[in-house]
Amino acid sequence: NAGVMQNPRHLVRRRGQEARLRCSPMKGHSHVYWYRQLPEEGLKFMVYLQKENIIDESGMPKERFSAEFPKEGPSILRIQQVVRGDSAAYFCASSPAQTYGYTFGSGTRLTVV
Amino acid sequence: AQTVTQSQPEMSVQEAETVTLSCTYDTSENNYYLFWYKQPPSRQMILVIRQEAYKQQNATENRFSVNFQKAAKSFSLKISDSQLGDTAMYFCAFMKPDQGAQKLVFGQGTRLTINP
Repeated sequence: NAGVMQNPRHLVRRRGQEARLRCSPMKGHSHVYWYRQLPEEGLKFMVYLQKENIIDESGMPKERFSAEFPKEGPSILRIQQVVRGDSAAYFCASSPAQTYGYTFGSGTRLTVV
Repeated sequence: AQTVTQSQPEMSVQEAETVTLSCTYDTSENNYYLFWYKQPPSRQMILVIRQEAYKQQNATENRFSVNFQKAAKSFSLKISDSQLGDTAMYFCAFMKPDQGAQKLVFGQGTRLTINP
């Protein structure tokens, strides 16, 4: 049973480009969370999704960021027109239901140059 | 809003020693969960231990144990017989269970180095 799979592991984008980060939850998991970790900081919640629904996006920046979790396929975190301040590690986690504690992926490190 | 504070940015001990990492939190909730996560250089977030606030008994997982002081809002992690593989960032985290998102609030982390 593979864990939470995130790809790519590293992503380099020039300022103004789009970044698309993918997360495949563990088999049987229908709840996905995205967190962002800035250098030398803890993780900060961004968004919580269930299949085809955004449940809580209170941690998402108001502009340029969006997330989806379609009926088929991975969850996608999309960042449009990236800026240097978007450089961070982005983590996805999944759970089978509303359980207290979930499994994290290895993260995608986004570098904006 | 809940906050989590880890007051020790870095710690270093010798292999086989015991080390305690501190964590305090602020909340007005009575029912919640507390976690310690380990993040080695590979960047993977690994759950070390979990504590339910309604349980008075401190959680233990092999060499890892916690000292949960609910009144003091303190949740420290003790690592016994430390090993080189314990070298990592350690994050304390808080979760308030509700009908919506099970959001984790993380502290800033403590960088632990185990020396041979």
